[in-house]
Amino acid sequence: NAGVTQTPKFQVLKTGQSMTLQCAQDMNHEYMSWYRQDPGMGLRLIHYSVGAGITDQGEVPNGYNVSRSTTEDFPLRLLSAAPSQTSVYFCASSRSGAPNPANYGYTFGSGTRLTVV
Amino acid sequence: DQQVKQNSPSLSVQEGRISILNCDYTNSMFDYFLWYKKYPAEGPTFLISISSIKDKNEDGRFTVFLNKSAKHLSLHIVPSQPGDSAVYFCAASEWYGGATNKLIFGTGTLLAVQP
Repeated sequence: NAGVTQTPKFQVLKTGQSMTLQCAQDMNHEYMSWYRQDPGMGLRLIHYSVGAGITDQGEVPNGYNVSRSTTEDFPLRLLSAAPSQTSVYFCASSRSGAPNPANYGYTFGSGTRLTVV
Repeated sequence: DQQVKQNSPSLSVQEGRISILNCDYTNSMFDYFLWYKKYPAEGPTFLISISSIKDKNEDGRFTVFLNKSAKHLSLHIVPSQPGDSAVYFCAASEWYGGATNKLIFGTGTLLAVQP
């Protein structure tokens, strides 16, 4: 099925460990982004990319790295996990460009629930 | 600084009645507003959007109203159905002429529709 695929769905890390959350989309969307969802905080933007080779920081980028070597993939890296990074992470993609509200309909993955102990 | 605010963490309505979810924003440069719906253990799904040049957009049972002077938008669901029970997120975007589709989300409102 076309859409946004996130792996893994669940992960437990020890403080200081590193890992990469994978995100792939098959809709040829230019725009991809990572959000984290925390109780009472809603969805907060971590990093985003407007195309291959182009990334930028969102609202809460500290502790996370991203790269965009292909249109399809946008991995999120935690270099040294901390308990404050315990959260549910969502990857999203959309077409970019034309000022048509329909184009702003992000497609979200089903999320990765990360626990850092 | 929360640019998009949903001040009601939860809302409970009876089946068949109207649900009204509210959202306030502070950035006057926002020019697109969207509502997303989220079920547990799933990603958010796009519901409806509105451009800042409009004050109303309707799609079936869902209508979004925008009051730019008050920096306020609302989502009306009529009639409400038990399947509408979910968390609803308001989101806003500032159009950079194609440079970004960055969306800023609110904190969400949990809607419970009672049978």
